Amino acid sequence: NAGVTQTPKFQVLKTGQSMTLQCAQDMNHNSMYWYRQDPGMGLRLIYYSASEGTTDKGEVPNGYNVSRLNKREFSLRLESAAPSQTSVYFCASSYPAVQETQYFGPGTRLLVL
Amino acid sequence: GDSVTQMEGPVTLSEEAFLTINCTYTATGYPSLFWYVQYPGEGLQLLLKATKADDKGSNKGFEATYRKETTSFHLEKGSVQVSDSAVYFCALSRYFGNEKLTFGTGTRLTIIP
Repeated sequence: NAGVTQTPKFQVLKTGQSMTLQCAQDMNHNSMYWYRQDPGMGLRLIYYSASEGTTDKGEVPNGYNVSRLNKREFSLRLESAAPSQTSVYFCASSYPAVQETQYFGPGTRLLVL
Repeated sequence: GDSVTQMEGPVTLSEEAFLTINCTYTATGYPSLFWYVQYPGEGLQLLLKATKADDKGSNKGFEATYRKETTSFHLEKGSVQVSDSAVYFCALSRYFGNEKLTFGTGTRLTIIP
């Protein structure tokens, strides 16, 4: 039982390049989330998915797209990376129930030059 | 909107010292409250939670009590260890078909032997 896994662990991009961050969970959770973590700002929600086939914007969705490929996988795409997207990205998952705990992956550190 | 304010860090303590990390929140209704911990190089993991007023969450010697009258959820531990060195995040959630977490900015704790 691996929990929530993320790839890659670290990536360097040049401004304007694109990339996709991958996330998978093996806990049979319906809900999945993408957050970014920046110094002094805590974690902010980018997008979330309540179930396979549905996605919704969070607090900071601009510059990102997501795909809920199936129940296990939720990817985050940067179409044209900008230095402001330099951050640590965390994926999380949970059951869609009240007060249910979210489980986090180990994170992807992204540097945009 | 919802917000969480937590004690600015970093906090440095000697081993076996008493720890308090303050957390206050702003939210309508009755949110659930959480403390998450992030050890170096890892993702966040749930430390404890409380789902209604006067509930006390506890885990690994840490405790926090949900105080609705003061809108607070302070984290305490009677005797800290070097292994407690980490970043601690206070968070609240309200259910909108999904649990949406709102995080504080995090408090870095370092314990010196």
